[in-house]
Amino acid sequence: NAGVTQTPKFRILKIGQSMTLQCTQDMNHNYMYWYRQDPGMGLKLIYYSVGAGITDKGEVPNGYNVSRSTTEDFPLRLELAAPSQTSVYFCASSYRSTRGTDTQYFGPGTRLTVL
Amino acid sequence: GEDVEQSLFLSVREGDSSVINCTYTDSSSTYLYWYKQEPGAGLQLLTYIFSNMDMKQDQRLTVLLNKKDKHLSLRIADTQTGDSAIYFCAESMEDTGRRALTFGSGTRLQVQP
Repeated sequence: NAGVTQTPKFRILKIGQSMTLQCTQDMNHNYMYWYRQDPGMGLKLIYYSVGAGITDKGEVPNGYNVSRSTTEDFPLRLELAAPSQTSVYFCASSYRSTRGTDTQYFGPGTRLTVL
Repeated sequence: GEDVEQSLFLSVREGDSSVINCTYTDSSSTYLYWYKQEPGAGLQLLTYIFSNMDMKQDQRLTVLLNKKDKHLSLRIADTQTGDSAIYFCAESMEDTGRRALTFGSGTRLQVQP
């Protein structure tokens, strides 16, 4: 299993440009998440999905959109990039164990700079 | 609302024990987690504790939970230079149904040889 993969690893955007951050998992997890990590801060939840066709907002959804057409893929779209969106973006997926814990598996991250 | 707080930095000598502390506010948290982030990498789950437990030991790691004070700690015995990383505590938001985690801002552990 590759786990959670993200592309690209790095990207520089100009203000107003758009892009899609790709995320794929091959573990057949229903739950998927997008977080952003600003320097010296913890992770903030942008959007999440509980299964194919179902998405919902997290704490900081403004400026982003997501879709979940398959179990495996959960792309994050930035329509009009702004400097405030400079951050490291992490995708994660999770399953519920028989004990009830939700183990989240993280991708390696995409480092985005908006100039 | 949910809030998780951690001290920002901890420096220890190799071979000493490290104790990383965390406080949380959501009394309905079911599980509390510790994640490790090495430079340039994603987060890796280290261990977790169920909210009805006081302590959990896993090899060099000991997690202590004081539910009354909403205080969580991670003790790393015999700390090695490879333990240098950022450590995040996180609580699960079980009652929202989304099963996402609320993370602290992370504690940077520096291990001096």
